[in-house]
Amino acid sequence: ETGVTQTPRHLVMGMTNKKSLKCEQHLGHNAMYWYKQSAKKPLELMFVYSLEERVENNSVPSRFSPECPNSSHLFLHLHTLQPEDSALYLCASSQVPSGSTDTQYFGPGTRLTVL
Amino acid sequence: AQKVTQAQTEISVVEKEDVTLDCVYETRDTTYYLFWYKQPPSGELVFLIRRNSFDEQNEISGRYSWNFQKSTSSFNFTITASQVVDSAVYFCALSEAEPQGAQKLVFGQGTRLTINP
Repeated sequence: ETGVTQTPRHLVMGMTNKKSLKCEQHLGHNAMYWYKQSAKKPLELMFVYSLEERVENNSVPSRFSPECPNSSHLFLHLHTLQPEDSALYLCASSQVPSGSTDTQYFGPGTRLTVL
Repeated sequence: AQKVTQAQTEISVVEKEDVTLDCVYETRDTTYYLFWYKQPPSGELVFLIRRNSFDEQNEISGRYSWNFQKSTSSFNFTITASQVVDSAVYFCALSEAEPQGAQKLVFGQGTRLTINP
């Protein structure tokens, strides 16, 4: 595997379900990100982990719970979601600090549908 | 606050035409970084270019070129002799300098480019 991978690619869940999205990066990076891309809004940064510590939480509802067990893996745990949470969830990784700004490399995303 | 505006929601051209995608940004920082990403139908954002605020030189990479003008806060992207494979959504993004930590990208709304054969 190369780059950034995400599983599953598609997920349909009911509002009472609990599921997890997985992201894995094979680039040797030490920062990872979750973004949400919905039809009517620009890409929104949800969470940032740098050196396995959460450094950003952009007022995301508590029904989204991230986990970063090591620098290569990132999870997004989902529970009691709402239909408006249906979106494409993208993971990215980068290397920090780099002296100049790093570049984020993205995975293919998980298309989530909440019924 | 940072903001990125891509005023063109959708563009449709015939193959081999040149096309320019506009990007206008707002930031209070003197040090910042601009990016373009391509999102094909598969969903993955593909990195195209990064430019820092101190480097206003235009860049050309094959059929792609970028025009960065600080005076107008613009970072426009031109595809020359467009091809059907260029069809995608293109995003412009901005980040302010984060020397010690992870950057936070602010994205524009994206421009959906369709190249017709």
